[in-house]
Amino acid sequence: GDSVTQMEGPVTLSEEAFLTINCTYTATGYPSLFWYVQYPGEGLQLLLKATKADDKGSNKGFEATYRKETTSFHLEKGSVQVSDSAVYFCALRSGGGGADGLTFGKGTHLIIQP
Amino acid sequence: NAGVTQTPKFQVLKTGQSMTLQCAQDMNHNSMYWYRQDPGMGLRLIYYSASEGTTDKGEVPNGYNVSRLNKREFSLRLESAAPSQTSVYFCASLVTTNYGYTFGSGTRLTVV
Repeated sequence: GDSVTQMEGPVTLSEEAFLTINCTYTATGYPSLFWYVQYPGEGLQLLLKATKADDKGSNKGFEATYRKETTSFHLEKGSVQVSDSAVYFCALRSGGGGADGLTFGKGTHLIIQP
Repeated sequence: NAGVTQTPKFQVLKTGQSMTLQCAQDMNHNSMYWYRQDPGMGLRLIYYSASEGTTDKGEVPNGYNVSRLNKREFSLRLESAAPSQTSVYFCASLVTTNYGYTFGSGTRLTVV
């Protein structure tokens, strides 16, 4: 079945540092890939997405490129801020065309220190 | 405001009690979903409804039932709550196959 593996946390960085959160996946067909962010006490918000190989999703300074050859969708940001502290989830939706939900990674807790 | 609304936000149940978690969306989305979130486990799909009148099991359906009352509403019922069902429950909806899902703000359920 489909699966998503992302780096374990917590990840602690200083403000203005470069961020990479690794995400790799296993899926049949051609999945769509997503990054979601969850701030404390809130639900998940879509951060960015990519629906086919070599697509780059971007939003709020975050970027991720759909790499089919390495089955990866790593999240990057050039200069993090304290307000980026949150839990980040990588997810995929299988390419079968049905409505059978997302498969999530376990989440990476990001802590940005001033 | 457009979005997904869940009620209640918090609930404490005793083992064996029943309750229904409510979810409604006002975006005219066809598909709706129930997930549970547990520490170190990410989110796992409980049930989903691809369209009004249909429901299907997800990864962890045991101990739950669902009802797609109409296009807007999708409820999750615990008939006899167990401590293992202590979790945060999220409802989500989707309009097309390639868009991101919209999530509600969650229900934090504790079963004692």
